[in-house]
Amino acid sequence: EDQVTQSPEALRLQEGESSSLNCSYTVSGLRGLFWYRQDPGKGPEFLFTLYSAGEEKEKERLKATLTKKESFLHITAPKPEDSATYLCAVFSNYQLIWGAGTKLIIKP
Amino acid sequence: EADIYQTPRYLVIGTGKKITLECSQTMGHDKMYWYQQDPGMELHLIHYSYGVNSTEKGDLSSESTVSRIRTEHFPLTLESARPSHTSQYLCASSDPGTDTQYFGPGTRLTVL
Repeated sequence: EDQVTQSPEALRLQEGESSSLNCSYTVSGLRGLFWYRQDPGKGPEFLFTLYSAGEEKEKERLKATLTKKESFLHITAPKPEDSATYLCAVFSNYQLIWGAGTKLIIKP
Repeated sequence: EADIYQTPRYLVIGTGKKITLECSQTMGHDKMYWYQQDPGMELHLIHYSYGVNSTEKGDLSSESTVSRIRTEHFPLTLESARPSHTSQYLCASSDPGTDTQYFGPGTRLTVL
């Protein structure tokens, strides 16, 4: 069964404290792994797509990496405005399979 | 990036009422989706469409129905709302080249 698991469920960091979020997946045929950011009461906002193991993408303080079993979202020197829930999804067959997300809180 | 709109943003209604949640996109995307999301939980696909006159049910059983008469419009209807329908409903459309889905702001539905 296709499955996406994100860890940790929640992460509290001090401003400037770097860390990583994990997304592990089991799918029958990966056609892409997606990272989104979701603010409270809003729809998910697209961040990155990764298609093959070894691929990396960066945007400001965020960097996403992909292996054959998991993806990491690295956040470097985060700021309070980076606080949000970060969602991971994998494209398998005809639809996206979503993780439950990691709630990231950055304290000033 | 897609421009995708949902109305209303918030809706509080009584049990038994019929409601329609509106979703429109201006990018000409053929594929559109409806998701249901409860607080702190993953998104669940309830309906999708690959183009005009095409609609399919997703993995999550839902008592709602959808229609796709125009490319840009994908409304979701609940014939008789119940408290169990209380949730956030998210509409999305996808870029045909990358399969990237772009989301609207969502409708927060509360059924009393």
